[in-house]
Formats: sequence, C-alpha cells, structure tokens
Amino acid sequence: SQKIEQNSEALNIQEGKTATLTCNYTNYSPAYLQWYRQDPGRGPVFLLLIRENEKEKRKERLKVTFDTTLKQSLFHITASQPADSATYLCARRTGGYQKVTFGTGTKLQVIP
Amino acid sequence: KAGVTQTPRYLIKTRGQQVTLSCSPISGHRSVSWYQQTPGQGLQFLFEYFSETQRNKGNFPGRFSGRQFSNSRSEMNVSTLELGDSALYLCASSELAGGHTDTQYFGPGTRLTVL
Repeated sequence: SQKIEQNSEALNIQEGKTATLTCNYTNYSPAYLQWYRQDPGRGPVFLLLIRENEKEKRKERLKVTFDTTLKQSLFHITASQPADSATYLCARRTGGYQKVTFGTGTKLQVIP
Repeated sequence: KAGVTQTPRYLIKTRGQQVTLSCSPISGHRSVSWYQQTPGQGLQFLFEYFSETQRNKGNFPGRFSGRQFSNSRSEMNVSTLELGDSALYLCASSELAGGHTDTQYFGPGTRLTVL
C-alpha cells in the first residue's frame, strides 16, 4: 500500500532561520505532492503543489522540492516567523481517481 | 466565494447512537471528500464523492457511509457509534475528482465526542 511519512513529529527553530520539513513516500511516485498548513481546531489550508516532473516550486517564503530518486519532498520556510508556527502536512495522490493520502504532520514551532 | 461549511461544529453522542454530519462545498465544486482526524492516526481518508457517485473509499467499516446530493452537498453517517469514533471529521471540496490541480479546500470540521 502507498505510505507517506513525515519524519519529524515536531520541529523547533529560532525566528529568522529556515525551517526544513521532510516528507517521504513508499512504492511508486505520486503524480504530485501537496503541502498543507493546519492550525489548531481548523481544517488544513493548501499551500503548494509540486508535480513529479518538477524539481522545485516556490511561493513567497515557501519552497518545495521533489526528488523521485530519494522518494522525498522537502518543504522550506525561509526567514521563519512565529506566525508560521502550525502543523504542516504533506499529501500524495498517484493520479487519476486515486484517494489522497496524508502524512501525520510535523508541528513547527518558531521561537522568537 | 463562501468557503466549505460543515454542520454541526460540535457534537456529543453516546455509544450505540448514530450521527449525521453535513458538508456544503464551495459553489461550483463537484467533488467532496471526507476525512477523520485523530491525534494518533492523523488525517485518514473516508470517502470521496463526485457528481453523486462514490469514487473512492478508505479502509473504514461499513458503519461509516456517505452520500452526495445533486447540489453537491454531502452528508456522512456513522451508525452504532463507538468510543474510538471520537475525532475531528473534516470535509474537503475540489472542482474535479482526481484532476492534476484538484486543490482541496477544507471546512472547519465537526468535532464528534462519543461518551
């Protein structure tokens, strides 16, 4: 079965540093990976999508990479701020009408 | 556009009862997915509906069921509630089912507590 894993349950970093979150998947490559942000008591909010034929995607202070050799996606937040503190989820969908599988999330805490 | 709405936001039930949760997707979105989120298991896929048809189903027992109406609104039902069904139930809508750009927009969730 398809699995998606986020290695760190929690990550604490100092304000201004770059946060790097990891998402690993098993078996065959997903058609694309998505990253979401979730705040306590709220539903996840979509941030970025990266396709399997893309190496990197950027949006403001966010950057996502996709390495099909390592079966891994990295999510970076540069110049992190306390407001970036949240749980970040990655999700995969292999394509077509396949279900979406979410990772368990990494709780990021940016310390002032 | 209004976002995804879910009702009720909070619900307390006792074991053995049944519950129905409702989800109204973003206007124009035809796909609705349901997820169960618990601290231990994370976000787990329940099912996805597109144009009133169930497209995908997760690994949940038959006590969990759903349906979608012609206006794309969706309901999910859990019968014979168990303590382990206590969770945040999230609904997400997207324009298409399985499309390459099918960004999912989540509602605020329904917090179900089973006593």
